[in-house]
Amino acid sequence: GAGVSQSPSNKVTEKGKDVELRCDPISGHTALYWYRQSLGQGLEFLIYFQGNSAPDKSGLPSDRFSAERTGGSVSTLTIQRTQQEDSAVYLCASSFQTGSYEQYFGPGTRLTVT
Amino acid sequence: ELKVEQNPLFLSMQEGKNYTIYCNYSTTSDRLYWYRQDPGKSLESLFVLLSNGAVKQEGRLMASLDTKARLSTLHITAAVHDLSATYFCAVVGSNSGYALNFGKGTSLLVTP
Repeated sequence: GAGVSQSPSNKVTEKGKDVELRCDPISGHTALYWYRQSLGQGLEFLIYFQGNSAPDKSGLPSDRFSAERTGGSVSTLTIQRTQQEDSAVYLCASSFQTGSYEQYFGPGTRLTVT
Repeated sequence: ELKVEQNPLFLSMQEGKNYTIYCNYSTTSDRLYWYRQDPGKSLESLFVLLSNGAVKQEGRLMASLDTKARLSTLHITAAVHDLSATYFCAVVGSNSGYALNFGKGTSLLVTP
């Protein structure tokens, strides 16, 4: 079956612009996770959803970051007023439910802020 | 705060040699993951270790878990060039919906 998909695969934006990153989880997976991978910080957890609810937003780096999930499926990560330090690969993962052993990762979105 | 430390961070080894990558973590956890990442690619799951003493093997890779020592190892046997990649261990925290806490990764280069 189809895996986790993310779009766009690459995004170049100017500093100060807003960007939206999209994640389509595996069908039927109720848990969805966003991670960020950067040279300086490595792989870091941002936020997770169980269904449409995000119980813990403490991993978001600043209030410029927000995420939502609708219909228990697609999730969007929005970064407002992008800064150069936001440049990274944003990875999405899904699992059947929180607590499921396997998390399946998407291909990522490479964000470059110029 | 859950911390995950891997060593070494960089490893260059000759084909045919054996080596071990270590992963230490700071608080108790009920599962540990090993992932592989090729350049420009996403994360590929290698192993999920769920209990003390768990050992899993796939090809030339073998992973083990000692929960009492909070230590996992990834052992490479008779390395081949195709194993060149970055290897991450990750541990599940007690909150955040079982989100993964990753080590910094071990960049492995296998040379002829």
